Order: sequence, then structure tokens, then C-alpha cells
Amino acid sequence: NAGVTQTPKFRILKIGQSMTLQCTQDMNHNYMYWYRQDPGMGLKLIYYSVGAGITDKGEVPNGYNVSRSTTEDFPLRLELAAPSQTSVYFCASSLDRVFAYGYTFGSGTRLTVV
Amino acid sequence: KNQVEQSPQSLIILEGKNCTLQCNYTVSPFSNLRWYKQDTGRGPVSLTIMTFSENTKSNGRYTATLDADTKQSSLHITASQLSDSASYICVVSGLDAGNQFYFGTGTSLTVIP
Repeated sequence: NAGVTQTPKFRILKIGQSMTLQCTQDMNHNYMYWYRQDPGMGLKLIYYSVGAGITDKGEVPNGYNVSRSTTEDFPLRLELAAPSQTSVYFCASSLDRVFAYGYTFGSGTRLTVV
Repeated sequence: KNQVEQSPQSLIILEGKNCTLQCNYTVSPFSNLRWYKQDTGRGPVSLTIMTFSENTKSNGRYTATLDADTKQSSLHITASQLSDSASYICVVSGLDAGNQFYFGTGTSLTVIP
């Protein structure tokens, strides 16, 4: 199993540009999440999904969109990138939401908006 | 407000020494608490997970304790190694409507030779 795979690992965007951060998992997990991690700050939940076709907002959803057409994939879309979106983005997945065994993170995407 | 606070914010220790990291939380109702290790530039990796009824759990040189009454957890690292240099994040899962995870800001540990 590859676990949770994120691409790209690094990206520089200009203000106003758009991009999609890709996330895929091969563990057949129902639950998937997108977090951002700013320096000195804890991980903050952007969006999550409890299964294919179902998504919901987390703590900091503004400026982002997600979709979940398959169990495996959970892409994060940035529209009109802003400097405040400079961060490290982590995708994660879990088998079960409450007890969260098998809660696995990807290796992250470092995004800089200039 | 549900919060997770960790201390110290950073810590430098000599190789071979022990250390203890603290996590205090206000999350209620409580489901479980996990400690993660995050190497620089990598995603967090789970070290331990404890539910309400568990007081201690070990994973090699890492031992986590939980006092659900005082809402405190600690992560004890024994005989530290250079590879232990990382951020350690405490994550508390609640039983609220969204089954939210609450992340601490982490403790940055540096082990020096």
C-alpha cells in the first residue's frame, strides 16, 4: 500500500492563479481530510469527506473547494490564490471517524503564493 | 471552547537523556487522544492512541500517559536519539456533532549529540 499520496510536493503560485492539490489513498478509507499547517500553528481542518459524493466544511474553508467523486481521490481546489494561502497542506484519511484507527497523513504540499 | 495546549513549545536535550512533553486539553466529551511525530517536511505519523479507559501506552521508547479526570496527557521519551528530533503533536478527538479532531500546536524537540 502506498498510503496517502499528495502531489505536487512544492508549488509557487502567483496571486490570482488557481490550482488543484491532488490527494489519493489506496487503503479504502471512507474518511478523508484536508488540513493546512501554518508556521507555529496547529493543523487546521479545511474540508473533510465521509465518503464518495459527500463533503463538508471544516474550520477554515474559505478560498477552497473540494470534490469526492471516488473513494480514493479527494482533490483540493484553490481559486484566486492569495498570499494568506501560503502554507503546508496535508491530506489525511481514516477508516473510522470517531476512533480514527488508521488515521494516515500524506507527506504534504508546500505552497507559496507570491 | 475545545482546545489543546502543549508545552513546552520547544525543547533541546542531549542525546541519551529522557524528556517529557505535556498536553492539556479542554475537549469534551472526549473520545481519544493521539500523539504524532512530525519530521521536518513530512506528514505526521502516529505514535500512540489512547481512549478514555487507558492510562498508559507504550511504543518502543515512547510512553504516553493519560489522565482523563484532569484532562492531561504526557509523552515520555526514553534514551533520546538524534532521530527523535521532530515536532510532537497532541491530537484530541471529541464526540461532538462533527466528531472533530483538535490539534495542539506541537512541541519542537531537538536532540543534540
